[in-house]
Amino acid sequence: GAVVSQHPSRVICKSGTSVKIECRSLDFQATTMFWYRQFPKQSLMLMATSNEGSKATYEQGVEKDKFLINHASLTLSTLTVTSAHPEDSSFYICSAEAQRGSVDTQYFGPGTRLTVL
Amino acid sequence: AQSVSQHNHHVILSEAASLELGCNYSYGGTVNLFWYVQYPGQHLQLLLKYFSGDPLVKGIKGFEAEFIKSKFSFNLRKPSVQWSDTAEYFCAVTTNAGKSTFGDGTTLTVKP
Repeated sequence: GAVVSQHPSRVICKSGTSVKIECRSLDFQATTMFWYRQFPKQSLMLMATSNEGSKATYEQGVEKDKFLINHASLTLSTLTVTSAHPEDSSFYICSAEAQRGSVDTQYFGPGTRLTVL
Repeated sequence: AQSVSQHNHHVILSEAASLELGCNYSYGGTVNLFWYVQYPGQHLQLLLKYFSGDPLVKGIKGFEAEFIKSKFSFNLRKPSVQWSDTAEYFCAVTTNAGKSTFGDGTTLTVKP
């Protein structure tokens, strides 16, 4: 099946610093990637939809200046958490949309655990 | 806006018991329906999906789900669970606009 990787898998940073998370589709091209946030014991919350070559579409309540998304190529999307604070600590998951015939399916990355001290 | 409701937060079964996890959604238009599984320490994987056609969908590892349009439901079933089915299960809905919404998840614990 399709493989999506994320890097890093874990990151610990000081409050006020910025952290970049990469999402790559390894064996397919993805014009659309998605970024989710998952809180403990809760479901995935869609943060934004990332389209290659255009601006990301953010969900209501998600600060686009804080969570910068860049989808520079068909296999790479990055999420940068700017000026991170402890409340940004979470599990961030990306997914990439692969088109199989006329049907699209999302494939998920393994997630990135962000801890902000 | 669409929403997804999973009725069972934690289900505990013995091996060989039958499983049914409930999923209901609310959305007025056409939807695509998914069940994802997350095994301990692993990332989300697609279990099965429904886009159109036969409302009874068969997925991997003996799982199946039935789309009942009149009830806005897409319940997941397995006739006989195994210890290795212990995981978190998420129901998700995607609209034609491509927006996905996930349920809160159901933790399944299978006792050996």
